[in-house]
Amino acid sequence: NAGVMQNPRHLVRRRGQEARLRCSPMKGHSHVYWYRQLPEEGLKFMVYLQKENIIDESGMPKERFSAEFPKEGPSILRIQQVVRGDSAAYFCASSRAGAQETQYFGPGTRLLVL
Amino acid sequence: AQSVTQLDSHVSVSEGTPVLLRCNYSSSYSPSLFWYVQHPNKGLQLLLKYTSAATLVKGINGFEAEFKKSETSFHLTKPSAHMSDAAEYFCVVSAGTSYDKVIFGPGTSLSVIP
Repeated sequence: NAGVMQNPRHLVRRRGQEARLRCSPMKGHSHVYWYRQLPEEGLKFMVYLQKENIIDESGMPKERFSAEFPKEGPSILRIQQVVRGDSAAYFCASSRAGAQETQYFGPGTRLLVL
Repeated sequence: AQSVTQLDSHVSVSEGTPVLLRCNYSSSYSPSLFWYVQHPNKGLQLLLKYTSAATLVKGINGFEAEFKKSETSFHLTKPSAHMSDAAEYFCVVSAGTSYDKVIFGPGTSLSVIP
């Protein structure tokens, strides 16, 4: 049973470009969470999605960031017009049900903005 | 409201000696508690999980944690440290409705001295 997959593992973008981060949850998991880890900091919640629905996006910056989890295909975290402060590791996790279920984490995508 | 405190940002032990990583939480509900480990440039891995069954929880790689409601603590221990245990450890709390987001502690960096 494959674990949570994220791609790309590393992404380099210049300021002003768009970054697209993909997350495929574990088989049978319909809940996806995105977290951001800034250098020297702990994980911060960004958004919680179920298939075709955003459940909680209270951790998402108000501008430039969006997330989706379509009926088919992976969850996408999209960052428009990236800035240097967006450089971080972005982790996706999935679970079978809600937040009290164990979340299984992907390996992360390390975004570097030049 | 929920919160997690990891009392030590950095712990250093000698190889073969015991490990103690401290975690205190606050929660309005009966919480689920987790410990995750993150090795350098890797994703998070679940070490162990408490969900109101036995208060002493055994995890992978010889780690265990004890849930103490009276002390609101969930400290992580291991009898004998190994070099490969050097990593960042996160205590995580999740409680309430299924839409509540999980809360990560700030992390404790464990160094193991040969």
